[in-house]
Amino acid sequence: DQQVKQNSPSLSVQEGRISILNCDYTNSMFDYFLWYKKYPAEGPTFLISISSIKDKNEDGRFTVFLNKSAKHLSLHIVPSQPGDSAVYFCAASVYGNKLVFGAGTILRVKS
Amino acid sequence: ETGVTQTPRHLVMGMTNKKSLKCEQHLGHNAMYWYKQSAKKPLELMFVYNFKEQTENNSVPSRFSPECPNSSHLFLHLHTLQPEDSALYLCASSQFRRSTGELFFGEGSRLTVL
Repeated sequence: DQQVKQNSPSLSVQEGRISILNCDYTNSMFDYFLWYKKYPAEGPTFLISISSIKDKNEDGRFTVFLNKSAKHLSLHIVPSQPGDSAVYFCAASVYGNKLVFGAGTILRVKS
Repeated sequence: ETGVTQTPRHLVMGMTNKKSLKCEQHLGHNAMYWYKQSAKKPLELMFVYNFKEQTENNSVPSRFSPECPNSSHLFLHLHTLQPEDSALYLCASSQFRRSTGELFFGEGSRLTVL
């Protein structure tokens, strides 16, 4: 049973437009949510996170939104750049224990 | 060296071979992890070590044998693997019990079992 789901395997966006990556979860005990970015032949790197007590966290071009009632979070990238093309993993944890990952979404930003 | 380093980056082995993957972290963390990434699947947690003690074994077959001699080094010993074990094996480290759970990953070891 997948506790963290990324239902879109891939997303293609034009350079300069907004990219929206979505993630759903089932475990209401999750209290911290993270997004990781992964380039080919590299390990995942931390991008942005949000605590369950917040509904929005912004860091430059990246914003994560959390909707606890819907058990849904999303990552917005504005404006999208070709260098953002990568695999994006959503992850969640209960007080920092055992990060649970989604299957990832491949983002392609076309120039 | 900084961050988390994994060797070898690529490994091809037969089903009867014995090999090991090595991970070293230079971040002063006290927890280390092995994850498996297969194509189009979530990262699967395999093992967790906190302060050199194994605290998690996620129903991993015994043909995978982890070893953590100290909080900076982690090994994954491999023997009599199956072709379906071919995957990217990722090592990660963190500060145990830090509320965010943020992990720092190595670049991975790409394993191919023939």
